[in-house]
Amino acid sequence: SQKIEQNSEALNIQEGKTATLTCNYTNYSPAYLQWYRQDPGRGPVFLLLIRENEKEKRKERLKVTFDTTLKQSLFHITASQPADSATYLCALEPSSNTGKLIFGQGTTLQVKP
Amino acid sequence: EPEVTQTPSHQVTQMGQEVILRCVPISNHLYFYWYRQILGQKVEFLVSFYNNEISEKSEIFDDQFSVERPDGSNFTLKIRSTKLEDSAMYFCASSEALIQPQHFGDGTRLSIL
Repeated sequence: SQKIEQNSEALNIQEGKTATLTCNYTNYSPAYLQWYRQDPGRGPVFLLLIRENEKEKRKERLKVTFDTTLKQSLFHITASQPADSATYLCALEPSSNTGKLIFGQGTTLQVKP
Repeated sequence: EPEVTQTPSHQVTQMGQEVILRCVPISNHLYFYWYRQILGQKVEFLVSFYNNEISEKSEIFDDQFSVERPDGSNFTLKIRSTKLEDSAMYFCASSEALIQPQHFGDGTRLSIL
């Protein structure tokens, strides 16, 4: 069956450390992956998009990798801050070419001062 | 920065009643979407819409659901006869093109009594 899985356990780290979040997928062949941030009671906010021919993408303190062999994307936040505390969602389009996104369940990150 | 706006923020409706959720997507965007998120669960795709037609719909989007772009700015989701299990947060999103970030509104919380 098709799955997209993120660590369901919350990730607790100390301010200043690097947070690494994992997204694994099964039985999909996505052309790209997206990462979103969601705060309680708010809609998802787009962070990064990485295509299948890109190994790595960066934006300020954020970095995402995409390994189509391992069927995995890693999302890194360097020099983390308490304001980075939120739920992070990965999403992929299952080759439908209609913009339909399938989301993972999200990983909640807590950055402690 | 332009944003997607949704109204109302909270809708309480009796089971069996019709409800219309409203969205104003970003003005130059061409692709429109509805997603929903049941409390504590994943964001789930409902429907994508382009060029005044549904591009794709999920199994959730049955005959009780419909979407409309009645004018150049609004995008609506109608549920004809609501059920208890329709209680969720409903998010509207829009994008300029395919394989582009989707911009989400902050949702309408729908409570069916």
